[in-house]
Amino acid sequence: QKEVEQDPGPLSVPEGAIVSLNCTYSNSAFQYFMWYRQYSRKGPELLMYTYSSGNKEDGRFTAQVDKSSKYISLFIRDSQPSDSATYLCAMSVSGSARQLTFGSGTQLTVLP
Amino acid sequence: SQTIHQWPATLVQPVGSPLSLECTVEGTSNPNLYWYRQAAGRGLQLLFYSVGIGQISSEVPQNLSASRPQDRQFILSSKKLLLSDSGFYLCACRRQGNEQYFGPGTRLTVT
Repeated sequence: QKEVEQDPGPLSVPEGAIVSLNCTYSNSAFQYFMWYRQYSRKGPELLMYTYSSGNKEDGRFTAQVDKSSKYISLFIRDSQPSDSATYLCAMSVSGSARQLTFGSGTQLTVLP
Repeated sequence: SQTIHQWPATLVQPVGSPLSLECTVEGTSNPNLYWYRQAAGRGLQLLFYSVGIGQISSEVPQNLSASRPQDRQFILSSKKLLLSDSGFYLCACRRQGNEQYFGPGTRLTVT
């Protein structure tokens, strides 16, 4: 079993839809959670970072963490064609090097 | 905020040839630095990380090596490339927090 599981999609939605992206994890030591957006042939871009259970909102994006269920989500409201990308969840434990463990990514297409 | 540079952006190399990819970081000091490889349609695989000059930790036994000759310079090398070394190579940086920031990547094709 992988430490982090992420539905690879692909996911296709109409413009304006609410998108829900999800990851589950098995390692209860994970304390820090991130979502990255990666456009084709580009490096990943940090979207959201959180370390506590609950919701964190930034514009059209909301990151949700449920540590008791070992489940994290990213919600995108009013999705736009420019949101079309691969979304990667990542998480880490405490420690000096803070290596990240990534999900395999979900490919999202927002249709105009 | 930091800026991460990687070069070259694209590289096509024959099997058996050497490799040197460079990553430099601006706007921060004493960062943790990371090399990842991303194969087509797959997630990111951590290859090496460094917490300081000359300090390298290897995550995956392979045909590659890494060096950190300066605080903000991280180099990925190989003496003889294999076909399986093809992929998208990403350098990342972590400062004081837990989040990592990525460079633009180098796309390597071994022929």
